[in-house]
Amino acid sequence: KQEVTQIPAALSVPEGENLVLNCSFTDSAIYNLQWFRQDPGKGLTSLLLIQSSQREQTSGRLNASLDKSSGRSTLYIAASQPGDSATYLCAGLMETSGSRLTFGEGTQLTVNP
Amino acid sequence: NAGVMQNPRHLVRRRGQEARLRCSPMKGHSHVYWYRQLPEEGLKFMVYLQKENIIDESGMPKERFSAEFPKEGPSILRIQQVVRGDSAAYFCASSISKNEQFFGPGTRLTVL
Repeated sequence: KQEVTQIPAALSVPEGENLVLNCSFTDSAIYNLQWFRQDPGKGLTSLLLIQSSQREQTSGRLNASLDKSSGRSTLYIAASQPGDSATYLCAGLMETSGSRLTFGEGTQLTVNP
Repeated sequence: NAGVMQNPRHLVRRRGQEARLRCSPMKGHSHVYWYRQLPEEGLKFMVYLQKENIIDESGMPKERFSAEFPKEGPSILRIQQVVRGDSAAYFCASSISKNEQFFGPGTRLTVL
C-alpha cells in the first residue's frame, strides 16, 4: 500500500527566503507525482506534474524533483513571497493502483512579510 | 476553457437527510474522481468513474454512498441518511486519461 509523507508539517519563513518542501513515498512504482497548492477553504491548484521518466519540472519560481529510487520528491520555492502562504500537497499516482492519487498530509507554509 | 465545476459550494443537511453533490468535469475530460477531506485530515480517494461506468470504487463506504457519471450531465455523488461523520470537503477532479488531474473548488458538507 502506497504511503505518502510530507515533512515538515508546518514551515514559517521570512519573505525572500528560498525553501524546500519534502515528500516521500513508500512504493517506487510511481507513474507520476503532482504538487498542489491549497488555500484555506479553497480547492486544489495543480502546480507541477512530474512523470516517472522525468527528474524535474520547473514553473516560474517553483522547481520540483523526483527520485524514484529513493522514494522522494522535493518542491523548491525561490524568493518566497507572502502570497505563497498556503498548504502544499504532494500526491502520487501509482503504476498499479489505477488512477487514484495518494496524498500526503501537506505542509502548511507561512511567508512573513 | 472553464475548470472543474462543483455545486453547491456549501451544503447543510440534518442527520438522516440526503446530500447530492454535483461535478462537471473540464471540457473534453471523460475521467472523474471524487476525493474526501475530513477535518484536519488529508485527501482520500473515494471513487473513479468514466462516462456511464464506475471503474474503481474501493475508497467509497459500502453503505449510503453512491456515485454516477451519466452519458449526459454532471457526475453525482450521493450520500443517503447523512451522519455527522460525513461532514467534510468533497472534491471532484477530472482528467483526459491516466494523467494530470484537475480539481474543482469542492463542496463543503455540514451535517447538523
